[in-house]
Amino acid sequence: QVSLQESGPGLVRPSETLSLTCTVSGGSISGYYWSWVRQTPGEGLQWIGYILYSGSTSYNPSLKSRVTMSVETSENQFSLKLSSVTAADTAVYYCARRGNSFPRYYMDVWGKGTTVTVSS
Amino acid sequence: IQMTQSPSSVSASVGDRVTITCRAGQGLNNWLAWYQQRPGQGPTLLIHGASTLQSGVPSRFSGSGSGTEFTLTISSLQPEDFATYYCQEAHSFPVTFGQGTRLEIK
Repeated sequence: QVSLQESGPGLVRPSETLSLTCTVSGGSISGYYWSWVRQTPGEGLQWIGYILYSGSTSYNPSLKSRVTMSVETSENQFSLKLSSVTAADTAVYYCARRGNSFPRYYMDVWGKGTTVTVSS
Repeated sequence: IQMTQSPSSVSASVGDRVTITCRAGQGLNNWLAWYQQRPGQGPTLLIHGASTLQSGVPSRFSGSGSGTEFTLTISSLQPEDFATYYCQEAHSFPVTFGQGTRLEIK
């Protein structure tokens, strides 16, 4: 059974870069789209973007200028970088997998999430 | 696409039937999913394609609707069903979520 685990600093200074990694266990990273989604009390769930196992990416236009995703297939990991963070980027960040039997973007496996606070 | 769920919260008892509604700002061609989220956990996919039950999800969960109005029904609430539920449209880019419906024990 595939499981996902987010990891990274829980505190990031304003204007710096948030960096998170998602480790895929119990299955291969190959053949799937992998996403990052964040959740805040005010904005709810927001899809940040995806990276395909091959490295192709697509980002939410609202965050595109600040987001970079990468994949390391040998490590079964993928990563998120969000630059120039502000307090508005304080959220719980989830990694998730798009099920590859779906004709559309539905996410069938999620991590438990990691809380990132932006504060000086 | 703007996704609006109602109610924002609902109180019910074990054994009750509960229905949650999700309205979309434009037609979705049934590209809609429902998720359950328990405290401290990531969302779990319940239903996709508006009405297709995800593998392993109990049959007391069902989804219906088309176009712009969709419903999630739980036919007989179990203790583990008290959680927050979200709809997600998969028709447009980027995908968007409803604001959530919190299901509480009465």
